[in-house]
Amino acid sequence: AAGVIQSPRHLIKEKRETATLKCYPIPRHDTVYWYQQGPGQDPQFLISFYEKMQSDKGSIPDRFSAQQFSDYHSELNMSSLELGDSALYFCASKRQASNSPLHFGNGTRLTVT
Amino acid sequence: QQQVKQSPQSLIVQKGGISIINCAYENTAFDYFPWYQQFPGKGPALLIAIRPDVSEKKEGRFTISFNKSAKQFSLHIMDSQPGDSATYFCAASRPGNTGKLIFGQGTTLQVKP
Repeated sequence: AAGVIQSPRHLIKEKRETATLKCYPIPRHDTVYWYQQGPGQDPQFLISFYEKMQSDKGSIPDRFSAQQFSDYHSELNMSSLELGDSALYFCASKRQASNSPLHFGNGTRLTVT
Repeated sequence: QQQVKQSPQSLIVQKGGISIINCAYENTAFDYFPWYQQFPGKGPALLIAIRPDVSEKKEGRFTISFNKSAKQFSLHIMDSQPGDSATYFCAASRPGNTGKLIFGQGTTLQVKP
């Protein structure tokens, strides 16, 4: 079965640089979520989109922005990167139906040096 | 403030034994409680989920026990296998939003052959 596709798998950036992470949801999934997982930590919700509109916002820094496009893929844009932004970034998708489970991609590992 | 508290942080079990991981939550508005399994370098994968209207749900070797009055739920892995060695996260979400998950801190399970 098709899964959530994230790219790139690994990304190394320097402080103050920008990064763009991409997410391609499972076909027919209309809702995308972004999570951040620090080393040894649990995933933390950042932001979500439904039908290309932001649907909810969590602990996402103002330096980060995201959007969902007409083909339902999503991009997380991160600017003025800080060392503390080093983490795994997961995208997840689901159908909007309330009892639909959430499926995660394998993440992008961002390292800021 | 950790809204979902998970224990133990780590667990070592012999092959064939029972692994038990516990979670407690604060918010009585939560109505969806999934368990995710995560292998190193991979995204969390949904194992099993439960809603408060049932006290137990079983899928293969995995069972969730739910105690609504105590605001606790647990994962039991029967006949634990070395391939079950992974990090397990419990989570919770509010009604109508199974995508915005609040995770526990995670339990690293090691099953010894």
